[in-house]
Amino acid sequence: GAVVSQHPSRVICKSGTSVKIECRSLDFQATTMFWYRQFPKQSLMLMATSNEGSKATYEQGVEKDKFLINHASLTLSTLTVTSAHPEDSSFYICSASYTTGSNQPQHFGDGTRLSIL
Amino acid sequence: GQQLNQSPQSMFIQEGEDVSMNCTSSSIFNTWLWYKQDPGEGPVLLIALYKAGELTSNGRLTAQFGITRKDSFLNISASIPSDVGIYFCAGSNFGNEKLTFGTGTRLTIIP
Repeated sequence: GAVVSQHPSRVICKSGTSVKIECRSLDFQATTMFWYRQFPKQSLMLMATSNEGSKATYEQGVEKDKFLINHASLTLSTLTVTSAHPEDSSFYICSASYTTGSNQPQHFGDGTRLSIL
Repeated sequence: GQQLNQSPQSMFIQEGEDVSMNCTSSSIFNTWLWYKQDPGEGPVLLIALYKAGELTSNGRLTAQFGITRKDSFLNISASIPSDVGIYFCAGSNFGNEKLTFGTGTRLTIIP
């Protein structure tokens, strides 16, 4: 069964709206979670690394004030797309691994399809 | 950011055929992973490889970690309709959990 849960699965909203996406690890604690963005017919691109109890680490070119990440507990990370615009429309996917600092493979959520009108 | 190169980009095969795809990198990785993604869903882990030269199977799937640590191969034997999807390779290194994804191989089965 799924080990990482993502919610909501789909969001359609007007330009200028802020949208929050949740990522939960099921039955395990994840001190580190990852947020990816995937445009149509493209690969997954890492946006940021979410660290429990500390600030997220953003990849080059990703605006930290635009994509707010909160990792308040060992099982929950949230990504908020602030003042979303049509160009932010994409498939957002989170992932987590069972343990930090090891080489355990990441497991992914089912993604959130964000459509900004 | 960096991406791994996968080939072929797409494949059109008949049910029952065997499939081979590969993934190459300009830099070394200590871990290679293969994922499958269905439309509208997140990637699902198929095989994880941790040692250069390692050959690992998962049912009809077999993957190998290249000796140079710069490539990996995935083979699917006797394809079935549910094999349709996009296959991604991903690499990472010890002490750094960040994954670098490949460009993907889209598999289509022709009726």
